[in-house]
Amino acid sequence: EVQLVESGGDVVQSGGSLRLSCAVSGFTFDDNAMHWVRQRPGKGLEWVSLISWDGFTSRYADSVKGRFTISRDNEKNSLYLQMNSLREDDSALYYCARAYDSTGYSKIDYWGQGTLVAVSS
Amino acid sequence: EIVMTQSPTTLSVSPGERVTLSCRASQSISNKLAWYQQKPGQTPRVLIYTASDRATGIPARFSGSGSGTEFTLTISSLQSEDFAVYYCQQYHIWPLTFGPGTKVDMK
Repeated sequence: EVQLVESGGDVVQSGGSLRLSCAVSGFTFDDNAMHWVRQRPGKGLEWVSLISWDGFTSRYADSVKGRFTISRDNEKNSLYLQMNSLREDDSALYYCARAYDSTGYSKIDYWGQGTLVAVSS
Repeated sequence: EIVMTQSPTTLSVSPGERVTLSCRASQSISNKLAWYQQKPGQTPRVLIYTASDRATGIPARFSGSGSGTEFTLTISSLQSEDFAVYYCQQYHIWPLTFGPGTKVDMK
């Protein structure tokens, strides 16, 4: 069974930093690209970032480019999101999600339960 | 950035009705479109990918069509468990983008 378990969400002040983690199991981690997708309370889904299977390619939404860094450790079956210079509008539930293929040009087929980030002024 | 728009914003329907949801891309995305369903308090789940392929375990009452910039998700006969928010998402060009969603609720 595929499982994605996020952690690291917290309350942080504006301008602060946070590192999210996602522990995966139930599949061969380095077969798939991985995403972070966020959802503000009561709002829609917003794609944040993607990393390819080998970690060599990463993509970012314009809203987080230069502030967030995605990474992965295939030995530890883990995905990360380093979030710096946090702003109030970064407050959201952050989902770790699996791309169907190794590049990310595909559907998202599994989602974690999410970890909550709250940025206060 | 490709902007995805969805219509209507909200759709009030009764069980058994046929439901058609629309999604439009601001430029051509070929068939690189997925549809997701999200129920309150739950994570999204993929229904349709490459515009018209049903994901594993998705009932046949869900179907997708379209290419280029215009796409449709159809629920042939709405069941009570189908009340949810439906999002389209393009994966043709970075950044990936989602539509704002269509809420299907009970009439």
